[in-house]
Amino acid sequence: DTAVSQTPKYLVTQMGNDKSIKCEQNLGHDTMYWYKQDSKKFLKIMFSYNNKELIINETVPNRFSPKSPDKAHLNLHINSLELGDSAVYFCASSQYRAIETQYFGPGTRLLVL
Amino acid sequence: ELKVEQNPLFLSMQEGKNYTIYCNYSTTSDRLYWYRQDPGKSLESLFVLLSNGAVKQEGRLMASLDTKARLSTLHITAAVHDLSATYFCAVDNAGNQFYFGTGTSLTVIP
Repeated sequence: DTAVSQTPKYLVTQMGNDKSIKCEQNLGHDTMYWYKQDSKKFLKIMFSYNNKELIINETVPNRFSPKSPDKAHLNLHINSLELGDSAVYFCASSQYRAIETQYFGPGTRLLVL
Repeated sequence: ELKVEQNPLFLSMQEGKNYTIYCNYSTTSDRLYWYRQDPGKSLESLFVLLSNGAVKQEGRLMASLDTKARLSTLHITAAVHDLSATYFCAVDNAGNQFYFGTGTSLTVIP
């Protein structure tokens, strides 16, 4: 069983569209994350979330919003996509807010045309 | 914003040799993480260092943390080809905001 899964694996879309990326973890962890890796391989955390608290990286545009229907899922919704949003997005999870090891999903490669 | 600098950015080393990757950060933090990323793949968590003087080892990799110097090192012992990857360090400012280094691309040459 895949510990952290993401769908879709690839996403090609036009500027201005709205899209979502789904993330599910079956590890029973209480904290989930979204990261962005740009074309230069630079990594940035976007959000961390447990069932009590959402922590948002202040540099993330408000077009990005995490949505968590339950503890095992943290989806990423993006409104009005821009060219600069093209990147690889990784979901991850951990127990106890990253004091423990994080487990990463396979990534979603987003290309905005 | 917390700054995290890794060096070197690129490292080419022969099998069997030892080397160290350095991770410096700009403000006080006592949580530091090391990750590995193979080309085109996801990230793998290697080490979580949570206090000054913390040292962790896994196989040929050993990570340490000196919070007073704001420095972490990832030491590679007797490198093998399978260690070729990009290694990232990241610092948590205790607000659960992670700041990543630029990564060190390691190539181990037979």
